[in-house]
Amino acid sequence: QVQLVESGGGVVQPGKSLRLSCAASGFTFSTDAIHWVRQAPGKGPEWVAFISNDGSRKYYADSVKGRFIISRDNSQNTLSLQMNSLRAEDTAVYFCARDQRDTWCVDYWGQGALVTVSS
Amino acid sequence: QSALTQPASVSGSPGQSITISCTGTSGDVGAYNFVSWYQQHPGRAPKLLVYEVTKRPSGVPDRFSGSKSGKTASLTISGLQAEDESEYYCFSFTTRNTWVFGGGTKLTVL
Repeated sequence: QVQLVESGGGVVQPGKSLRLSCAASGFTFSTDAIHWVRQAPGKGPEWVAFISNDGSRKYYADSVKGRFIISRDNSQNTLSLQMNSLRAEDTAVYFCARDQRDTWCVDYWGQGALVTVSS
Repeated sequence: QSALTQPASVSGSPGQSITISCTGTSGDVGAYNFVSWYQQHPGRAPKLLVYEVTKRPSGVPDRFSGSKSGKTASLTISGLQAEDESEYYCFSFTTRNTWVFGGGTKLTVL
């Protein structure tokens, strides 16, 4: 079965960096695009970033553009989100989520990793 | 990118039908038929209910149906059941090659 497992969350000070990882299994990772979606406490989900199956296309939400970098290693079935210049408003649970091919929606989600930006 | 507009809350009695609207712009909901709907229970990841406006993944009951007219998409839940009480979100691909969620609608089953 499809599994996505995030790791790397934690507490970080404003202005610092953090790297999230997502380990994928149960499907052919190299054929599917992946998203990062975050959800602040008590709020709705917010789309963060997208990477195509081969890594050639990357798109970002305006709120993170220039600060976050999405990448993937298809040889290791892993996805990463490098988060720089973190702000308090980046505090959220971060989900990696598989793009359902050709439909531009998400069909499988990880359990999420909590990132808290606080001094 | 502003969130798509959903009513904050809707309610209905068991067996009844309710509809949740999701209003966007010509750059998102109005641009493509790439609108999807998710159900999220507290502490859980969202679950896909409808994609490409009207399609249901396998395993989703046909009580859940989607539609769209212009810049507004809708999710209808018929034959309401107690377990349908949850938060619902719409999600749309945009002309800027980004995606945007709705603000969410809390469904209460009376």
